[in-house]
Amino acid sequence: QLQLQESGPGLVKPSETLSLTCTVSGGSISSSSYYWGWIRQPPGKGLEWIGSIYYSGSTYYNPSLKSRVTISVDTSKNQFSLKLSSVTAADTAVYYCAIVVVAARAWYFDLWGRGTLVTVSS
Amino acid sequence: DIQMTQSPSSVSASVGDRVTITCRASQGISSWLAWYQQKPGKAPKLLIYAASSLQSGVPSRFSGSGSGTDFTLTISSLQPEDFATYYCQQANSFPLGFGQGTRLEIK
Repeated sequence: QLQLQESGPGLVKPSETLSLTCTVSGGSISSSSYYWGWIRQPPGKGLEWIGSIYYSGSTYYNPSLKSRVTISVDTSKNQFSLKLSSVTAADTAVYYCAIVVVAARAWYFDLWGRGTLVTVSS
Repeated sequence: DIQMTQSPSSVSASVGDRVTITCRASQGISSWLAWYQQKPGKAPKLLIYAASSLQSGVPSRFSGSGSGTDFTLTISSLQPEDFATYYCQQANSFPLGFGQGTRLEIK
């Protein structure tokens, strides 16, 4: 069965770029059945969708973050990645990657990785 | 953007109780709504999609209803493992958005 695992630095300095990778196992990231997404959750707070990508490279971003976000896919490694530039303390959060199922135009987060805490601090 | 508002923000209940959580969208989203369960330190888990469709493997005591702007998640008979935080998510349009969460606590 499909599994997702986030990886990347747990500490990023202010103004720098946060970079995370999600490795997909148990299936192909090139499957036409799925999209792939990033969601974050600041400590003690709610969930925020960051963006999503299809294996072809089509991307969909939250406008609130769009100017700072890049999501990419590497089908050869069965991975997709998140880059968030010019980070501040407000970007401190647990970052989740997830499988996105699109059914009749509706987008659902079907399966989530365990999440990785990224702290922005000098 | 579509705003999602859940009520209550927290609720206390006992094992065996019936609990209902409400989610309201700031504009109509047809039936494009999901519910997630999140336990402390864990990732959210999809419970219900399309407002009322039960995700595979989710116990039948969970049910969802609603369309348009008003939705409910009902747990018919609370079990100890159901104490968690629940989020709704509008799946209708970008940006995808979540409610603020409802914390279900043991009374």
